[in-house]
Amino acid sequence: GQNIDQPTEMTATEGAIVQINCTYQTSGFNGLFWYQQHAGEAPTFLSYNVLDGLEEKGRFSSFLSRSKGYSYLLLKELQMKDSASYLCAVRDRDYQLIWGAGTKLIIKP
Amino acid sequence: DAGVIQSPRHEVTEMGQEVTLRCKPISGHNSLFWYRQTMMRGLELLIYFNNNVPIDDSGMPEDRFSAKMPNASFSTLKIQPSEPRDSAVYFCASSPELAGTSTDTQYFGPGTRLTVL
Repeated sequence: GQNIDQPTEMTATEGAIVQINCTYQTSGFNGLFWYQQHAGEAPTFLSYNVLDGLEEKGRFSSFLSRSKGYSYLLLKELQMKDSASYLCAVRDRDYQLIWGAGTKLIIKP
Repeated sequence: DAGVIQSPRHEVTEMGQEVTLRCKPISGHNSLFWYRQTMMRGLELLIYFNNNVPIDDSGMPEDRFSAKMPNASFSTLKIQPSEPRDSAVYFCASSPELAGTSTDTQYFGPGTRLTVL
C-alpha cells in the first residue's frame, strides 16, 4: 500500500527553528509537495521537490532524499503566524497525490 | 483571479436530506478535485476530473455520493441521502494540469463545512 508518515504534533518557540519530517512509501514518485493549512482554512502550497536536495524559499526550506523516501520542511525564525498544520503529499507514478495526515505545529512565545 | 469558489460555506442539514455542494474552479485550469477532511481521517480525495471527465472516483465512499462537471467552470458534489458520518469539510481544488512536468500544484477553495444532524 501507499503510506506517508509525519509526526502528529510539534511544539516550538517563537524565533527558533523547527524541522518537520515526512517519510513515504508510494507506488512510484513524481514529486513531493508541502502545504500549510491554518485552522479553519484551506491548504495552501508551500514547496515542491522532485530532485534530491534542498529547495529554499525565504524562511522555509524543503529537503528531499528519494533513495531514503524522506523529506523535511525546515522553518526558520518562527513567527506566531506559522502555527498551522503542515501537510506532506507525494505524487505517485499515476500522478495521484497521496496525502499525509499533517503535522500540527504549535508556536509558543 | 478570484481563486476557487465554493458554495455554500456552511451547511447544516438533517439526516436523510439531499446535500449539493458547488465549486467553480480557477479559469483555465483543466483538473478539478473534490476532497473531504475530518480530524479522524485527514484529507481524502473523493474524485477528480480532467477536462470535465471523471478520471478516478475510487475515493467516493458509496453510492450516496455523486459528482458532476457539466462544463469547465462548474462542478457539483451531491450526497443523497446524507448521514451524520458525512459531517466534514469538503474542499474543491483545481490545477492547471493533471500531471504536467511543471510544479502544477493544486489550488484549494475555502471549503464547505457540512454538518448532518
